[in-house]
Amino acid sequence: DGGITQSPKYLFRKEGQNVTLSCEQNLNHDAMYWYRQDPGQGLRLIYYSQIVNDFQKGDIAEGYSVSREKKESFPLTVTSAQKNPTAFYLCASSIGKGAYEQYFGPGTRLTVT
Amino acid sequence: DQQVKQNSPSLSVQEGRISILNCDYTNSMFDYFLWYKKYPAEGPTFLISISSIKDKNEDGRFTVFLNKSAKHLSLHIVPSQPGDSAVYFCAAIRGTDKLIFGTGTRLQVFP
Repeated sequence: DGGITQSPKYLFRKEGQNVTLSCEQNLNHDAMYWYRQDPGQGLRLIYYSQIVNDFQKGDIAEGYSVSREKKESFPLTVTSAQKNPTAFYLCASSIGKGAYEQYFGPGTRLTVT
Repeated sequence: DQQVKQNSPSLSVQEGRISILNCDYTNSMFDYFLWYKKYPAEGPTFLISISSIKDKNEDGRFTVFLNKSAKHLSLHIVPSQPGDSAVYFCAAIRGTDKLIFGTGTRLQVFP
């Protein structure tokens, strides 16, 4: 079955620690995205990548980093510089730049205490 | 600057009746609009979309209406079913720019 997987579903970390969230897709999509969802807010774009070895900052990139070494994988690192890291993180992919429909993974709930 | 707005955070509808979810936007250059449905602790799933050159698109129980002069988008669900209870996000895009999402409307369909 084609799709997007995110692991783990729930993640707990102590303040000051970096943490990496996994996102893998087997849809052969070129573009991948990371969003953050907070209560009462829409999905806010953190980073996106349209091709391997290239990525761009979204609206709220501060305190986050990404890599795109493989087409299938787009991991997100939440660094200690992110002031409010507790949130629901969603990874998505689309066929390519300009493809309107994005397909989402199940999300990772990160809690930092 | 919220370019896509969903002013109703929640909506409660009786099963079998019509659900109408609304979305307003400010950027007249948007050329494509989408609706996503999201259950708790899951990722959003694509529901229906509409191009700016159309004013209506139907898919089964779901119909999206676009009023460009009013910069208003609505999603109609008829008849509403309990399984439709979820958060609905509208989103808009211009060309190859990024998707802009609204804040979502939580729909509850009760028996």
